[in-house]
Amino acid sequence: NAGVTQTPKFRILKIGQSMTLQCTQDMNHNYMYWYRQDPGMGLKLIYYSVGAGITDKGEVPNGYNVSRSTTEDFPLRLELAAPSQTSVYFCASSYPQGSNQPQHFGDGTRLSIL
Amino acid sequence: GQQLNQSPQSMFIQEGEDVSMNCTSSSIFNTWLWYKQEPGEGPVLLIALYKAGELTSNGRLTAQFGITRKDSFLNISASIPSDVGIYFCASRSQGGSEKLVFGKGTKLTVNP
Repeated sequence: NAGVTQTPKFRILKIGQSMTLQCTQDMNHNYMYWYRQDPGMGLKLIYYSVGAGITDKGEVPNGYNVSRSTTEDFPLRLELAAPSQTSVYFCASSYPQGSNQPQHFGDGTRLSIL
Repeated sequence: GQQLNQSPQSMFIQEGEDVSMNCTSSSIFNTWLWYKQEPGEGPVLLIALYKAGELTSNGRLTAQFGITRKDSFLNISASIPSDVGIYFCASRSQGGSEKLVFGKGTKLTVNP
């Protein structure tokens, strides 16, 4: 079972460059999430989606954009990379809350902005 | 916003020792989750708690959902080297929110 797959695993960007972090899940989960994890910190929610065509801001959305055209995919876009966006990014997915099913995480994308 | 206070921040123990860590908040939560993260990987769910007072075990791990719904603890008995990692508590607020709030983690080091 693939679960949640993130690509790339590592990336170095120059300030001002743009890139898209890919996330796909094969569990038919309605809900998908993007988090960032900084050293010594827990995960902070960037954006989330409750279904195709629906997205909403999390705790730290500035500097990012998302789209959800299919149930499987939830890409995260950085338009103008800044050093403050150096972090490890995790994508997760889950069934709706009523099913009491927890979130499943990918293995992360390690992004450095230089 | 809602915050989870997780302690201790780090622990250094000898193999075979028992471990206890906890998470507290000033807010009431409907769900408490405990995740483990190993280097280079995403968090993996260990135990999920859905009812106040619930006590759940998963092998050598035991977690409890506090009666006040504002805290939870995780115990690991007879620790082994592969228990090394960062343990996160996470919780889901009331009101039908799908958003999880995470603690800052407890980094566990086990000396053989």
